Amino acid sequence: ETGVTQTPRHLVMGMTNKKSLKCEQHLGHNAMYWYKQSAKKPLELMFVYSLEERVENNSVPSRFSPECPNSSHLFLHLHTLQPEDSALYLCASSQDLAGGYNEQFFGPGTRLTVL
Amino acid sequence: AQSVTQLGSHVSVSEGALVLLRCNYSSSVPPYLFWYVQYPNQGLQLLLKYTSAATLVKGINGFEAEFKKSETSFHLTKPSAHMSDAAEYFCAVSDPGGYQKVTFGIGTKLQVIP
Repeated sequence: ETGVTQTPRHLVMGMTNKKSLKCEQHLGHNAMYWYKQSAKKPLELMFVYSLEERVENNSVPSRFSPECPNSSHLFLHLHTLQPEDSALYLCASSQDLAGGYNEQFFGPGTRLTVL
Repeated sequence: AQSVTQLGSHVSVSEGALVLLRCNYSSSVPPYLFWYVQYPNQGLQLLLKYTSAATLVKGINGFEAEFKKSETSFHLTKPSAHMSDAAEYFCAVSDPGGYQKVTFGIGTKLQVIP
């Protein structure tokens, strides 16, 4: 595997289900991100991790719970979601957080549908 | 706070015609600027970035962008559109300094007409 991978690619869940999204980066990066991409809206930054430590929680509801067990893996645990949470969830990584000039490498995303 | 405005959520060009996608930014300091492209069912991929070196930046697939401080713009151009350029394009800005927080524009969907 190369780059940033995400599983599953598609997920349909009911509002009472619990599921998890997985992201893995094979680039040796130290920073990882979760974004939400909805139609006709800018990309919304949800969480940022640097060296497994969360450095940003962008006012995300508690029904989204991130986990970063090591610098290569990032999870997003989902529970009691709402239909408006249906979106494409993108994971990204970058070399680190310093400087603001590092490009981010994105995974293909998980298309989430909440019924 | 930094922000990005992309004029035109949809742009259509004929194959072989000039591509021009507009991006204006707002930042309290000279920023770093990025253009990303997203093909259907894929994540975002970096096209090019400006990090205060040359104001004309060349990227992949024949795209380039020019940083114009006086106009607070970073428009993306390609001289001749190809069918494979059909995708969504995102302009993004980040402030130099300690924290890598990037603000993305709403995106411009490019349609290439044969």
